[in-house]
Amino acid sequence: NAGVMQNPRHLVRRRGQEARLRCSPMKGHSHVYWYRQLPEEGLKFMVYLQKENIIDESGMPKERFSAEFPKEGPSILRIQQVVRGDSAAYFCASSPEGTGPEKLFFGSGTQLSVL
Amino acid sequence: DAKTTQPNSMESNEEEPVHLPCNHSTISGTDYIHWYRQLPSQGPEYVIHGLTSNVNNRMASLAIAEDRKSSTLILHRATLRDAAVYYCILRDRGTYKYIFGTGTRLKVLA
Repeated sequence: NAGVMQNPRHLVRRRGQEARLRCSPMKGHSHVYWYRQLPEEGLKFMVYLQKENIIDESGMPKERFSAEFPKEGPSILRIQQVVRGDSAAYFCASSPEGTGPEKLFFGSGTQLSVL
Repeated sequence: DAKTTQPNSMESNEEEPVHLPCNHSTISGTDYIHWYRQLPSQGPEYVIHGLTSNVNNRMASLAIAEDRKSSTLILHRATLRDAAVYYCILRDRGTYKYIFGTGTRLKVLA
């Protein structure tokens, strides 16, 4: 049973470009969470999604950031017009439906570097 | 928001027990206490969780204070592979998100 898959592992973008980060949850998991980690800091919650629904996006910046989890395919975290402050590690986690307390399974992350 | 407080770093000798403390004085009655660890260049990995009673699994033990305002993660015999940042986490009341603490960077000496 493959774990949470994130790609790309590393992503380099110039200021003003768009970044798309992908996350395939573990098989059978329909809950996805995105976290951001700045250097030498802990993880900060961004958004929680279920299939086709955003449940909690209270940690998402109001502009330029969006997330989706379509019926088919991976979850996507999209950052438009990236700035240097967006440079960070972005982690995706998934959990099985209906279990609690939620035990999260994390991917290896995408390291975004903005030049 | 519920928050946790952990020491920034700790050291342990290999093969010795390690006690990692966490304070969570604002914990609510139904908040679970979770511990995750993060090895270098990897995502966090689940270690253990509990509510009121002490818990044991193959990785570690979790000791929870009677008033639930603090807890301790116990690694019974530290190995070099246990060197990581250990996060004590509470589920924020009324939401689905976890509030990660500052984490404790554990260094294991050979």
